[in-house]
Amino acid sequence: QGQLVESGGGVVQPGRSLRLSCAASGFTFSNYGMHWVRQAPGKGLQWVAFIGTTKNYGDSVRGRFTISRDNSENTVYLQMNSLRPEDTALYFCAKDHGGTGQAFDIWGQGTMVTVSS
Amino acid sequence: DIVVTQSPDSLAVSLGERATINCKSSQSVLYSSNNKNYLAWYQHKPGQPPKLLIYWASTRQSGVPDRFRGSGSGTDFTLTISSLQAEDVATYYCQQYYNSPFTFGPGTKVDIK
Repeated sequence: QGQLVESGGGVVQPGRSLRLSCAASGFTFSNYGMHWVRQAPGKGLQWVAFIGTTKNYGDSVRGRFTISRDNSENTVYLQMNSLRPEDTALYFCAKDHGGTGQAFDIWGQGTMVTVSS
Repeated sequence: DIVVTQSPDSLAVSLGERATINCKSSQSVLYSSNNKNYLAWYQHKPGQPPKLLIYWASTRQSGVPDRFRGSGSGTDFTLTISSLQAEDVATYYCQQYYNSPFTFGPGTKVDIK
């Protein structure tokens, strides 16, 4: 069925960097696109980034965040630079139903990122 | 960017009654080449990850009860819960995946009346 486990969250000062990881199991990782989605406290879901045959980013993170993957480790990463207080959120990774940007059929439990001085 | 809106913001329905959530996209999410609507519905309960309910606007994800039904095409979509159960209390999001950024609607909170 598949499982995703995020890690790497924590408390970080504004302007600093953080790298999130998402370890996948139970499916052929290299065959699927992967996403990062976040939810700020008390807010709705916001798509952040996608990696498949292309890489795509949300407007609010483009130029600061970088998504990457290691198919040998079945892991997707989110490198977050120049963090801002408004980046504070629970970050989920999610598996694409296909490879080119489709619905998100498996989600991790999320990892919390808090940006605060 | 495609803007996705939902209505209502919240609703309370009696157990066993019908719940209807509407979703509208600012441009069509229907791909003419394959006649598919690039629209999904998710259920999100506090403390849990979101759960995919419906994709391609009307295809139920495996294991999702048949009381959940997605309908619509182009820019206007509906999620219907035909007979609300206690375990359906959650926030429901629609999302378009026609174009990046893959935008979500603001969510509709469903409660028991």
